[in-house]
Amino acid sequence: GAVVSQHPSRVICKSGTSVKIECRSLDFQATTMFWYRQFPKQSLMLMATSNEGSKATYEQGVEKDKFLINHASLTLSTLTVTSAHPEDSSFYICSARDPLGNSNQPQHFGDGTRLSIL
Amino acid sequence: AQSVSQHNHHVILSEAASLELGCNYSYGGTVNLFWYVQYPGQHLQLLLKYFSGDPLVKGIKGFEAEFIKSKFSFNLRKPSVQWSDTAEYFCAVKGGSSNTGKLIFGQGTTLQVKP
Repeated sequence: GAVVSQHPSRVICKSGTSVKIECRSLDFQATTMFWYRQFPKQSLMLMATSNEGSKATYEQGVEKDKFLINHASLTLSTLTVTSAHPEDSSFYICSARDPLGNSNQPQHFGDGTRLSIL
Repeated sequence: AQSVSQHNHHVILSEAASLELGCNYSYGGTVNLFWYVQYPGQHLQLLLKYFSGDPLVKGIKGFEAEFIKSKFSFNLRKPSVQWSDTAEYFCAVKGGSSNTGKLIFGQGTTLQVKP
C-alpha cells in the first residue's frame, strides 16, 4: 500500500532554532500534501495544504512566515518551523493524496514528528 | 464552516463488549466521511469511508459505520472488541465538492480494551 515517510520522528532543540521536517511519498507521486498539528488529547488541526510547484494554502490563523512549506518535487514536501519557541512544541503530521485517484481518495499519513522546544 | 464532533473522549471496555463511537458533523452539502485509527506509536490508518450509496459501510477488522443523513451522524461500531483494538479513533469529514481533499477531524476518542 501507499507509504508516507516523515523525518525526523523526534526533535528536541533550543528556542530560536529553525527546524525542518520532511514528508516523502515513497511509492506514489503526491501533487498535494497536507500538514497537521496535533496537541495532546486533541484533534489533528490542518495547518496548510502543500501543492507541488506552487505556494501552499494556509488555514486561517496559521502564520505562513512561521511555518514555511516547500513542495519542490512530487515526492517531497518540507515544513520548516522558523525561530521555534516553546509554544511551537507539538506533534506535526503530514499526509499525502495519490493524484491518480480522485479527490475522494483517502489520505495516507506519515508517522508524525514530535517537536520539543526547550 | 465544517466541523466534526466526537462525543466520547475516553472509552473503556472489556474484551467481547460491543462498541459504538459517536460522530456528528456540521456541513450543509454532500460529504465524504472517514474513520481513522491510530494504534500506539503508529501512523493514522483508514478504517472505513463513506462516499455514497449504502449508508452502512464495512471496514477493516470487523468495524462498520452507519451514515444517517438526517442526524448528520456517522457512528462507528464493532460487535465484539478485542484487546488489540486499543487505539485512538478519529472521525473525519471532507466536503464532497472540495477538490483539495482537505479533511476536518474530530477530537478523537481513546479506546481502551481490557483483556
